[in-house]
Amino acid sequence: NAGVTQTPKFQVLKTGQSMTLQCAQDMNHNSMYWYRQDPGMGLRLIYYSASEGTTDKGEVPNGYNVSRLNKREFSLRLESAAPSQTSVYFCASSQTGRDGYTFGSGTRLTVV
Amino acid sequence: QKEVEQNSGPLSVPEGAIASLNCTYSDRGSQSFFWYRQYSGKSPELIMFIYSNGDKEDGRFTAQLNKASQYVSLLIRDSQPSDSATYLCAVEGSGSARQLTFGSGTQLTVLP
Repeated sequence: NAGVTQTPKFQVLKTGQSMTLQCAQDMNHNSMYWYRQDPGMGLRLIYYSASEGTTDKGEVPNGYNVSRLNKREFSLRLESAAPSQTSVYFCASSQTGRDGYTFGSGTRLTVV
Repeated sequence: QKEVEQNSGPLSVPEGAIASLNCTYSDRGSQSFFWYRQYSGKSPELIMFIYSNGDKEDGRFTAQLNKASQYVSLLIRDSQPSDSATYLCAVEGSGSARQLTFGSGTQLTVLP
């Protein structure tokens, strides 16, 4: 009963480096989401996947790419990290939406 | 542009009092509304959802929805120090993935 698992939990990158944040869920949910959370700004949607094989941009997609590898896994890639991408990143999943989301524990990313 | 606004806080109440958290939203087509609690350094957890106008009670928590006024609120009765957290209002979109738009949150402190 792991729910939503995110890796890594913490990461420090230098400007221009790339990295992939991993997310996996074991609840057989159709939809998965990536959000970022910055102080005073709540959670903002980066990308989402309504079902396996589909991905769509959210509110703040610039500088990110995603891959829905299979029904369980949804990864977020930063190709060339910038200090403005310093944030806490949350992955979430849902089955119907009406039941709300289950969130992962988050990845705290610092870009220097 | 979908927007979700919350009273900015921070909000402090004495132990045993009623805490009232408010949220307004701009998308008249929204049908589902959620309240999440987030402790410092942790991920959001779902505490209430409401779809119909009126009140919905769950233990010490009551969610209130008025679609005509585009207003949703959360009341916490008999507030406890363990209720001290940031409360996030979220509104479901009409897209296929049922993506949520979050408010910026209200920080609640319950004073012993």
